[in-house]
Amino acid sequence: AQSVTQLDSQVPVFEEAPVELRCNYSSSVSVYLFWYVQYPNQGLQLLLKYLSGSTLVKGINGFEAEFNKSQTSFHLRKPSVHISDTAEYFCAVSAYTGGFKTIFGAGTRLFVKA
Amino acid sequence: IAGITQAPTSQILAAGRRMTLRCTQDMRHNAMYWYRQDLGLGLRLIHYSNTAGTTGKGEVPDGYSVSRANTDDFPLTLASAVPSQTSVYFCASSDPGSSGDTDTQYFGPGTRLTVL
Repeated sequence: AQSVTQLDSQVPVFEEAPVELRCNYSSSVSVYLFWYVQYPNQGLQLLLKYLSGSTLVKGINGFEAEFNKSQTSFHLRKPSVHISDTAEYFCAVSAYTGGFKTIFGAGTRLFVKA
Repeated sequence: IAGITQAPTSQILAAGRRMTLRCTQDMRHNAMYWYRQDLGLGLRLIHYSNTAGTTGKGEVPDGYSVSRANTDDFPLTLASAVPSQTSVYFCASSDPGSSGDTDTQYFGPGTRLTVL
């Protein structure tokens, strides 16, 4: 079985500052890792995903994440945030055990202040 | 525009009433899911379907049922609603294995349900 922990429930940050949203996972099998973003009153949409290969993954809107197998982490980063990045961000882990099973973290609310 | 539609957008329901939340996708995805989203708990899987004609229980299935008569539709039914089922419900679909896409999920806009 796999699990996901998002270490921060809320992250306030000033506009144009860098941000890191932390995600740790556990699994007994190889996993695929995702970050989704949810803007107010909308469904989730894919931000980026790690399947294999390069451990640094670039996504939409200038976000990137780094897969660290030894630390079982998949932290999301952006060097300079905008007001429009205010949203909830979900880390998710997917593993194939006879069928795909995806587990979502509890979410991190990013609040960008002017 | 391809994607997932959900209906209704929001609903206020008296406890004990029966309610069906509708979900339709036009991407011909094999897998579909129902989640509920509650503050501080993230998304929790209620039921899923890997392909038309099959369904399975997720993390929190009690009080809910689903059916998957065809590829496109995946309705969620609350047989007798209770206040603890007040939540935002999201339908999602995926097509694992197609074009190397390992279970990226595509979400509908959600249904906000209040049970009084």
